[in-house]
Amino acid sequence: EPEVTQTPSHQVTQMGQEVILRCVPISNHLYFYWYRQILGQKVEFLVSFYNNEISEKSEIFDDQFSVERPDGSNFTLKIRSTKLEDSAMYFCASSDRGSGNQPQHFGDGTRLSIL
Amino acid sequence: KNEVEQSPQNLTAQEGEFITINCSYSVGISALHWLQQHPGGGIVSLFMLSSGKKKHGRLIATINIQEKHSSLHITASHPRDSAVYICAVTGGGGADGLTFGKGTHLIIQP
Repeated sequence: EPEVTQTPSHQVTQMGQEVILRCVPISNHLYFYWYRQILGQKVEFLVSFYNNEISEKSEIFDDQFSVERPDGSNFTLKIRSTKLEDSAMYFCASSDRGSGNQPQHFGDGTRLSIL
Repeated sequence: KNEVEQSPQNLTAQEGEFITINCSYSVGISALHWLQQHPGGGIVSLFMLSSGKKKHGRLIATINIQEKHSSLHITASHPRDSAVYICAVTGGGGADGLTFGKGTHLIIQP
């Protein structure tokens, strides 16, 4: 069964550094999402992407965050200047139709640790 | 903004027991998702519902749109069902993100 793959599985970065989290969604999917889960807390929506542009973003997704689909397969989340509070598990998800019509398929996540 | 509440937060049961996890939300939705998260962190979609009832193996999910309430049932529970079960909702049909509950931590003892 096709899977969403995320790399790396664990990223350790110094505060203030830039980090790029990578995702390869399922190949025929059109909708892409990033979520984060701070340790011990619920999963939170960051951003959705459709038709090569951001469709929706939460208040968490401020100017230090950006997303890109640089080619036909990758979907990346960049955090420009990391802060301690960015430490979390970041999940990428994709679906072939909107979230009201089709389940989302999640990757295994990238654990981001900011030192 | 939708508020998603789950109960119970923690549930420990014996193998074979019938399990019920509840979810309520505050604002009308287009769909409700039940998800499973294992200790390693990965998230798997179990069901997506907009009305009625769905069944997959030993799992059953129901939703009452008027009451803004959904339940996830597990019949003949097994230790491998031990996981965090998460309810999430979406208000739109497009690329709207999901709003998540805090999850129910289920432990099935042999």
